[in-house]
Amino acid sequence: GEDVEQSLFLSVREGDSSVINCTYTDSSSTYLYWYKQEPGAGLQLLTYIFSNMDMKQDQRLTVLLNKKDKHLSLRIADTQTGDSAIYFCAEGFSGGYQKVTFGTGTKLQVIP
Amino acid sequence: DTGVSQNPRHKITKRGQNVTFRCDPISEHNRLYWYRQTLGQGPEFLTYFQNEAQLEKSRLLSDRFSAERPKGSFSTLEIQRTEQGDSAMYLCASSGGTGSFQYFGPGTRLTVT
Repeated sequence: GEDVEQSLFLSVREGDSSVINCTYTDSSSTYLYWYKQEPGAGLQLLTYIFSNMDMKQDQRLTVLLNKKDKHLSLRIADTQTGDSAIYFCAEGFSGGYQKVTFGTGTKLQVIP
Repeated sequence: DTGVSQNPRHKITKRGQNVTFRCDPISEHNRLYWYRQTLGQGPEFLTYFQNEAQLEKSRLLSDRFSAERPKGSFSTLEIQRTEQGDSAMYLCASSGGTGSFQYFGPGTRLTVT
């Protein structure tokens, strides 16, 4: 079955790095995504990684994938107050309707 | 703005009333999705359209819910005889081409009193 789990809350100081972790259960996923949701808004696709990769870097964002342990992480370097939001990990499957299963979200609080 | 748009942004209704939400996807996207998001949870899949065909429905989509995409462009989601448990954010997403990346609209927040 599909289950994506994340810790609920993370608090960091401005300028520090943030690491948000996620575990998933379905090894047949094709993509792993990170979405960001600000209060009252929809979800913004931040970054993604193909399941056959183990790392992807995109400016301040680094995604690490450990497929053996089914563990995904998002590192945000030099965290800013504008990064305060809820971050959702999601796994996606190719074929059919390209189903995406979301985690419960991690609320990131950045302290000035 | 060429992103996904949803209307209305907020809807307050009394229990038992019917409500309808609209989603306008990114214009070149042929796939459209509806999700429901309750407080403290991630989005949960409701239904999927490819062009005008509704190809997948979740068990969450009870018979009080109906979705349409008549011309393969905008979509509507109707909830009949609303219940308090229907209070949630209803999100629409679209995708297209060879990529499977779903782009989300801002959502419609429904409150049933």
